[in-house]
Amino acid sequence: QLQVQESGPGLVKPSETLSLTCSVSGASVSSSDFYWGWIRQSPGKGLEWIAKIFFRGVTYYNPSLQSRVTMSVDTAKNRYSLSLKSVTAADTALYFCAINTAARPGHFHLWGQGSLVIVSS
Amino acid sequence: SYVLTQPPSVSVAPGETATVACGGDNIGENTVHWYQQKPGQAPVLVIYYDGDRPSGIPERFSGSTSGDTATLTISTVEAGDEADYYCQVWDTARDHYVFGTGTKVTVL
Repeated sequence: QLQVQESGPGLVKPSETLSLTCSVSGASVSSSDFYWGWIRQSPGKGLEWIAKIFFRGVTYYNPSLQSRVTMSVDTAKNRYSLSLKSVTAADTALYFCAINTAARPGHFHLWGQGSLVIVSS
Repeated sequence: SYVLTQPPSVSVAPGETATVACGGDNIGENTVHWYQQKPGQAPVLVIYYDGDRPSGIPERFSGSTSGDTATLTISTVEAGDEADYYCQVWDTARDHYVFGTGTKVTVL
């Protein structure tokens, strides 16, 4: 059964880089069956799609975040990562791993429980 | 950028029908999906590709799209349906995703 679990620093200082990891079980991050992605939710606010990565490292980024976001895959540890640079208080949010299937990529059929990141000095 | 607008709140009595609207320009030209999020939990997919239900989601949940509006309908509402609901579309041209503003459904 496919499962994902986020891990992250909890607290990041303004202007620094936020780094999050999503550990995957039940499937290989090298698989062409899935897109591996991130979605965030600011406190008390709605959902915002950040990015996704596919087979052989093909990436797709939200245009509003594209200049600050990078995704990568670690096949040895079967996980994928998100980096968001130059963070501000507006980046404080609950960050979710979110998975699309390649066959039907229009929706997110699996979500992690989320990792809270607070941007504060 | 593409905007999806939902009413902030909908209230419904148990046993009645709740409808949650999601408005966007020509939304019917995209695939529309719906998620339920309860406090402290991750969103759960309840409707995908306009009207399909994942396994485990009751038939009471249904979706439809017409013109500039997509609608989530919850029939015979139960107390356990109280949650935030979000619509989402997939912009196939640019291969990215947009979420609606969210609707809090309150069961009276």
